[in-house]
Amino acid sequence: LAKTTQPISMDSYEGQEVNITCSHNNIATNDYITWYQQFPSQGPRFIIQGYKTKVTNEVASLFIPADRKSSTLSLPRVSLSDTAVYYCLVGDDSNYQLIWGAGTKLIIKP
Amino acid sequence: GAGVSQSPSNKVTEKGKDVELRCDPISGHTALYWYRQSLGQGLEFLIYFQGNSAPDKSGLPSDRFSAERTGGSVSTLTIQRTQQEDSAVYLCASSLPTSGLDTQYFGPGTRLTVL
Repeated sequence: LAKTTQPISMDSYEGQEVNITCSHNNIATNDYITWYQQFPSQGPRFIIQGYKTKVTNEVASLFIPADRKSSTLSLPRVSLSDTAVYYCLVGDDSNYQLIWGAGTKLIIKP
Repeated sequence: GAGVSQSPSNKVTEKGKDVELRCDPISGHTALYWYRQSLGQGLEFLIYFQGNSAPDKSGLPSDRFSAERTGGSVSTLTIQRTQQEDSAVYLCASSLPTSGLDTQYFGPGTRLTVL
């Protein structure tokens, strides 16, 4: 199972673009990269998943370089409501026992 | 549509008592997961069900923990002889097998406090 490394915390301001990078040096060929968001007193919520290059949906973009040893979650024009913990996960469809790190606590200031 | 529901939302119990936590997954989801999350920490995997079968129980912290799933739907996590270190939020998630890494849909969790 691939382990991931993320910054413990980040601060930003409303209206800014926020980029959170995750390192996964031992990612396997079949592994995908998934990001979840968790608010206090709630379960995590799926944000985005990708395998390589760039994936974009209505809430975020995910950038994955060619070597796939890292990935960057990009949140455009953040608001106060984006304050949450963000988790990066790596695995394939056989990996039910995923390793959840402590995530990145993102604080958005007015 | 209805999401994953868990009950109770909060449970306070005395050390040594047994507790039962319930999870109702999204209808049709064949996979179900239980996690434990201590304050400020990431999720700790406990057990995974595919249908009614749990192929890997190695994540359960001790033999005081057990889980079952009936009818491929509702699951219960039972903790016997609770200890103070069992205090945490217990999260349940369900998913449909897809290509890539399955998207897990989480319930709101049960906050367990052992006095």
